[in-house]
Amino acid sequence: KNEVEQSPQNLTAQEGEFITINCSYSVGISALHWLQQHPGGGIVSLFMLSSGKKKHGRLIATINIQEKHSSLHITASHPRDSAVYICAVRSLGGGATNKLIFGTGTLLAVQP
Amino acid sequence: DTGVSQDPRHKITKRGQNVTFRCDPISEHNRLYWYRQTLGQGPEFLTYFQNEAQLEKSRLLSDRFSAERPKGSFSTLEIQRTEQGDSAMYLCASSSPTGAAFFGQGTRLTVV
Repeated sequence: KNEVEQSPQNLTAQEGEFITINCSYSVGISALHWLQQHPGGGIVSLFMLSSGKKKHGRLIATINIQEKHSSLHITASHPRDSAVYICAVRSLGGGATNKLIFGTGTLLAVQP
Repeated sequence: DTGVSQDPRHKITKRGQNVTFRCDPISEHNRLYWYRQTLGQGPEFLTYFQNEAQLEKSRLLSDRFSAERPKGSFSTLEIQRTEQGDSAMYLCASSSPTGAAFFGQGTRLTVV
């Protein structure tokens, strides 16, 4: 079992829909990242959070430390939101390295 | 500073050849990471540098792989005697003191 699990693996939505992507993890963490990856490979960091909720434009990220669960929400989705969304955690057991452990990603396609 | 840059973006090589990739992190970041991503998977940790010191290497990093960061600035990742299984996206990331992660565009390696 992976230490970071995402659901769904694939998601197709119509433009304007509200989208939720979920992330569950099994290790103690110091921070959780939500990342966006477009075709061609480049990864952009959307959020880093260790508690509560953060909002940036149409994107909202929440985390529940006790339940080891995080969600990424996209409001009023648009075709340009189509990408792979990746959840990654910084494990408390990672020592001084602070390396990230990644989920396998959620492929989102928003249709016009 | 325009972020983390990687060179080349794409590399096609014949099996058995050596390849070298370069990563230029954000200048004030002393933490640098190499990750490898295969198709349909999330990135996996390869190695970590703090300044010029290589502090952690993954078991994924076989003897054919070597990474350096000679002056604590740019880093190189070399793969000797490439194999088809080495085909992947190689991602470099640097990290700020707050832990925020910044990724390069990646180098896509294809071994034929």
